Amino acid sequence: DAKTTQPPSMDCAEGRAANLPCNHSTISGNEYVYWYRQIHSQGPQYIIHGLKNNETNEMASLIITEDRKSSTLILPHATLRDTAVYYCIVRALSSNTGKLIFGQGTTLQVKP
Amino acid sequence: NAGVTQTPKFQVLKTGQSMTLQCAQDMNHEYMSWYRQDPGMGLRLIHYSVGAGITDQGEVPNGYNVSRSTTEDFPLRLLSAAPSQTSVYFCASSRRDGPYEQYFGPGTRLTVT
Repeated sequence: DAKTTQPPSMDCAEGRAANLPCNHSTISGNEYVYWYRQIHSQGPQYIIHGLKNNETNEMASLIITEDRKSSTLILPHATLRDTAVYYCIVRALSSNTGKLIFGQGTTLQVKP
Repeated sequence: NAGVTQTPKFQVLKTGQSMTLQCAQDMNHEYMSWYRQDPGMGLRLIHYSVGAGITDQGEVPNGYNVSRSTTEDFPLRLLSAAPSQTSVYFCASSRRDGPYEQYFGPGTRLTVT
């Protein structure tokens, strides 16, 4: 599975959009991009995933560049409850073994 | 559905003691995994299972044993606890087919003195 690079921390004002970048320059054609978050002391929570098209659900939007070497998770209207560590993970559909390799993630601080 | 449940929530052990962390899921997921998270660190994979009777090692398997006798349960055993195993332990499960997401339990906070 490809390695990802994320900034260690970001701030965002409450009510504004939070844009969290992820670099995955070695991604392969069959690898999906997943985003999870972990609110303090809780188990990680799935947010969204995508292959090459942009995706949107009730929590967030995922924008993947055309060359698939990077992506951005967008929380459209960040709230204080969105303060968490956000993990970008790349793994292949064929890697269906339940393995997720977590990096250090990005700590997002939403400020009033 | 209760989702993924873990017991106990908190545990304190003395060095050398043994114990089993319990994990259960009621979603009929084929895959289950155990992770540990040390303070200020990301999650690291300990062991995982792709189905009943099948287990494999993750990144940090030393000091831990697992078995998977049923689809629902995936216990993690510490045979001889060490202070280095002080951590928060998370269990997760997922479906096998498709680009599935993983569901995580609430965690067990273990302290070894």
